[in-house]
Amino acid sequence: GNSVTQMEGPVTLSEEAFLTINCTYTATGYPSLFWYVQYPGEGLQLLLKATKADDKGSNKGFEATYRKETTSFHLEKGSVQVSDSAVYFCALKRDYGQNFVFGPGTRLSVLP
Amino acid sequence: DAGVIQSPRHEVTEMGQEVTLRCKPISGHDYLFWYRQTMMRGLELLIYFNNNVPIDDSGMPEDRFSAKMPNASFSTLKIQPSEPRDSAVYFCASSLRAGQGTEAFFGQGTRLTVV
Repeated sequence: GNSVTQMEGPVTLSEEAFLTINCTYTATGYPSLFWYVQYPGEGLQLLLKATKADDKGSNKGFEATYRKETTSFHLEKGSVQVSDSAVYFCALKRDYGQNFVFGPGTRLSVLP
Repeated sequence: DAGVIQSPRHEVTEMGQEVTLRCKPISGHDYLFWYRQTMMRGLELLIYFNNNVPIDDSGMPEDRFSAKMPNASFSTLKIQPSEPRDSAVYFCASSLRAGQGTEAFFGQGTRLTVV
C-alpha cells in the first residue's frame, strides 16, 4: 500500500542551524509529494510540493527534491528561525485518486 | 476568501451525547475531506466528497460516525453516541479540482473532548 515515513522527533535546534527532516515513501504509480506545516493550535498549511521526479519545491527558505530513485523527499532549510517551530508533515497524493497519505509528523523546536 | 471554516473550535461533551461538527469549504472547491488527528494514530482520512457526493468513507471508524454534505458550501460530521476514545482534533479540508498536484486547504480544526 501507500505510506509515508518520517524521521522521529522531536527535533531541537538552535537558531540559524541547518535543518533536515527525512521523508521516504512507498507508493504505486507516480505520486505527488507535499510538505505541510502545522503551527500550534492551527490547521495544516502547504509549505511546498513537487509533482514529478527531480522537481524541487521551495518556499520560505525551505526546499525538498523529489528523488524517485531513493523514494525520498527530504525537507531542508539552511538557517532556521524560532518562528519555524512547528510540526512538519510529509504527504503523498496518488496519481489516480484524491486521497492524501500523511506521515506521522516531526515536531521541530528552534531555540533562540 | 476566508478559507475553510470549522465550528465549533472546541467541544466538550459527555459520553453518550451526540456531537455535530461543521465545515464550510472554500467557495468553488470540488472536494471536501474530513480528517481526525490523534497522538497515537496521527492524521487519518475519515471520508471525502466530490461535488457533494461521498466518494470514500472507508476511514469512518464505525457506524456511530456519519457525514453529510447537503450542498456545496456546508458539511457536517456527526458522532452519535460519542465515546471518550473519539477525543481528537477533527479537520476539514477542501481542494479546488482533481489533479495530482492539487493541494488541500485545511480549516483550523475542532478539538473534541468526550468525558
